[in-house]
Amino acid sequence: EAGVTQFPSHSVIEKGQTVTLRCDPISGHDNLYWYRRVMGKEIKFLLHFVKESKQDESGMPNNRFLAERTGGTYSTLKVQPAELEDSGVYFCASSQDVGWKGNTEAFFGQGTRLTVV
Amino acid sequence: AQTVTQSQPEMSVQEAETVTLSCTYDTSESDYYLFWYKQPPSRQMILVIRQEAYKQQNATENRFSVNFQKAAKSFSLKISDSQLGDAAMYFCAYSIRDDKIIFGKGTRLHILP
Repeated sequence: EAGVTQFPSHSVIEKGQTVTLRCDPISGHDNLYWYRRVMGKEIKFLLHFVKESKQDESGMPNNRFLAERTGGTYSTLKVQPAELEDSGVYFCASSQDVGWKGNTEAFFGQGTRLTVV
Repeated sequence: AQTVTQSQPEMSVQEAETVTLSCTYDTSESDYYLFWYKQPPSRQMILVIRQEAYKQQNATENRFSVNFQKAAKSFSLKISDSQLGDAAMYFCAYSIRDDKIIFGKGTRLHILP
């Protein structure tokens, strides 16, 4: 079974440009999460999808970030325009059930390392 | 606010020895979950072990075990018989049901051959 996959693995863009990150969750997982780790800091929650709906987007830094989840399958996270402070590793995770009940586990992708220069 | 604190940015342990990574957290919730995640150089985040707060018994997964002290809000990870493949960044994390995961800053663990 394929795990959570993220594209690209690494992106270098100039300040002011647009970048779109993609996450393909494990098939059948309704929950999809985006997280970000800025160098040397905690991994911070960005938002949570349940199927195609945004359940919680309280962690989105500002309106330069736009997340979508088409048809409740893959998700994209667009940064437009990118700023230097957006550099970091963006992780996606998916889980089957809402919450962490029983043996529910969140599976993470390898992350996308975004560098804004 | 819920926070997770890992006071050891880096640690080293000799191969085959035992090491303990510290973690404390702050929450007003009574029902929650605690996790240790491992991130090797491949960057894939892997769940190492999970503990439900309502369970008094400490979770164990092979060479990995936790010391969960609910009153002290402490959740340390013990790795026994350390192996070279254990070298990674380890993140302590917390979650309440139906909610996001809150992570600590991580502890980088080096295994010395």
